[in-house]
Amino acid sequence: EIVLTQSPGTLSLSPGERATLSCRASQSVSSNYLAWYQQKPGQAPRLLIYGASSRATGIPDRFSGSGSGTDFTLTISRLEPEDFAVYYCQQYGISPRTFGQGTKVEIK
Amino acid sequence: QVQLQESGPGLVKPSETLSLTCTVSGGSISNYYWSWIRQPPGKGLEWIGYIYYSGSTNYNPSLKSRVTISVDTSKNQFSLKLNSVTAADTAVYYCAHARGYFDLWGRGTLVTVSS
Repeated sequence: EIVLTQSPGTLSLSPGERATLSCRASQSVSSNYLAWYQQKPGQAPRLLIYGASSRATGIPDRFSGSGSGTDFTLTISRLEPEDFAVYYCQQYGISPRTFGQGTKVEIK
Repeated sequence: QVQLQESGPGLVKPSETLSLTCTVSGGSISNYYWSWIRQPPGKGLEWIGYIYYSGSTNYNPSLKSRVTISVDTSKNQFSLKLNSVTAADTAVYYCAHARGYFDLWGRGTLVTVSS
């Protein structure tokens, strides 16, 4: 099983600032099969990024993903008020599919 | 526009079987993979398993001995059964369209295990 470790646990930032979230895998994620999700309270997760760097349909271009192998990053270039939420990474290179424990982006 | 909706009892007694159904509307269940994912209150996400419309399945080893996922293409539904539940199985259960990643989710349903 691939263990995904996200850091930091909480990120305190102001609107307009840049957010950089990290996801590290316990072994290489094949074919960069790494996705990112956003989850707001009381809602289901929403897919943001798949294939490490491809934006899902309707996702603003302030969200970008990068990385390969065991180290991946989600960047939000300029935080909008609606971006404050919890973010999860997920690998789908091997079974079982696994998620990171999440990073909470909160308003400073 | 494809939508997913979970349904089933919100309360299950310990040692009994949790049963949920996901109804797919606005599109066909055929030719795709479908998954169940759960999230205990205040915690992270756990993948339970997936099923192909043909009926082939893949389960998380941590739950494999207790889980069955099935599909009914005539009703455009797929279902989850989890046996011998305990309080640790209390969670919001989501169904989702699976492409490896999960690009479409139901709203989720809270299932509480309690006597």
